[in-house]
Amino acid sequence: QVQLKESGPGLVQPSQTLSLTCTVSGFSLTSYSVHWVRQHSGKSLEWMGRMWSDGDTSYNSAFTSRLSISRDTSKSQVFLKMNSLQTEDTGTYYCARNELGAFAYWGQGTLVTVSS
Amino acid sequence: DIQMTQSPSFLSASVGERVTLSCRASQNINKYLDWYQQKLGEAPKLLIYNTNNLHTGIPSRFSGSGSGTDYTLTISSLQPEDVATYFCLQRNSWPYTFGAGTKLELK
Repeated sequence: QVQLKESGPGLVQPSQTLSLTCTVSGFSLTSYSVHWVRQHSGKSLEWMGRMWSDGDTSYNSAFTSRLSISRDTSKSQVFLKMNSLQTEDTGTYYCARNELGAFAYWGQGTLVTVSS
Repeated sequence: DIQMTQSPSFLSASVGERVTLSCRASQNINKYLDWYQQKLGEAPKLLIYNTNNLHTGIPSRFSGSGSGTDYTLTISSLQPEDVATYFCLQRNSWPYTFGAGTKLELK
């Protein structure tokens, strides 16, 4: 059974760094890509980046300078780190598994609030 | 970046009605278009990928069509459980971009 679960701090202060973890089960990170997507308050979705199955990464240029995605295959975890957080980074962050090109399986999402 | 425009933004329809949602890309996306359903408080769920391929377990009342810049999601007979917001996503070019969504409610 394919599962993804995001975890993170919930509250981050402005200018600080966000660190999120996506823990997966039911598949190997060396076989499937994992994406990060965020959503502002139930509004539209924004693709942030992708960890490819071979360990390569792709990023949305809107985040390139402050976003980093990495993984630990032994722990079945994908990590997102984004620095210089501002209030507009508040939202729900999802990880999703790629299949047939699409985002076939999603985690439940984790809400991140940027506030002092 | 490719801009994705969904219409209408809001739609109210009756149970059993045929519903059509549209998504227009700012340039040709070569059928790399997916549809996602998001119910209140839940994560998005893949319905259709690559324009017209139904994802596993999705009811056959959902279908997709289109080419070039114009794409459509059709629900042949609306059911109460279809109340949700529907998003399109283009995967033809980086960065992948989503439409703003169509919120579907029951009349």
